[in-house]
Amino acid sequence: GAVVSQHPSWVICKSGTSVKIECRSLDFQATTMFWYRQFPKQSLMLMATSNEGSKATYEQGVEKDKFLINHASLTLSTLTVTSAHPEDSSFYICSAFRVGYTFGSGTRLTVV
Amino acid sequence: GENVEQHPSTLSVQEGDSAVIKCTYSDSASNYFPWYKQELGKGPQLIIDIRSNVGEKKDQRIAVTLNKTAKHFSLHITETQPEDSAVYFCAASKGAGTASKLTFGTGTRLQVTL
Repeated sequence: GAVVSQHPSWVICKSGTSVKIECRSLDFQATTMFWYRQFPKQSLMLMATSNEGSKATYEQGVEKDKFLINHASLTLSTLTVTSAHPEDSSFYICSAFRVGYTFGSGTRLTVV
Repeated sequence: GENVEQHPSTLSVQEGDSAVIKCTYSDSASNYFPWYKQELGKGPQLIIDIRSNVGEKKDQRIAVTLNKTAKHFSLHITETQPEDSAVYFCAASKGAGTASKLTFGTGTRLQVTL
């Protein structure tokens, strides 16, 4: 079946630094990937839709300069949280589409 | 845009009993309704889905029903087991078979007690 690998599974970084999260579709090509953010005990909120070879489409209220998304190949999308602050601490989840949606295992980001 | 409401937010059942989670959606153009199970610290996993041209779908102990007129759909889990304990999310999208945005419900924390 379709497998999506997300790395790292958790990361701790200092305020002001940048963090990159990778999302890979291991056994299929995904022209579209999605990035979500999930706060504790809350639902998944879509941040952006990433299409291979083109600019990501961000949801209203999501700062595109802060959350940089790159989808350079059909199997890899990356989310970079730039100049991270404690309020960026959250659980970030990617999803790749191929017939259906397959989710990664998530990345717990803690900014200290 | 689409709005998906989900009830209840928490549900506790005894092992062997049934559990029902209900969702309503606002956009009549939505045509794909998946259900996900999320365990602590993990990403959501698809457990069952239904398209708008079908009223009911079943997979072993899990079933989903869809009422397009009322714009609501429900997840039914029978013979619950402790390993069913998790958070369940419903979702809706307008593009069955295409990479359309998923709108998620608020989640239901299911606890199956012995």
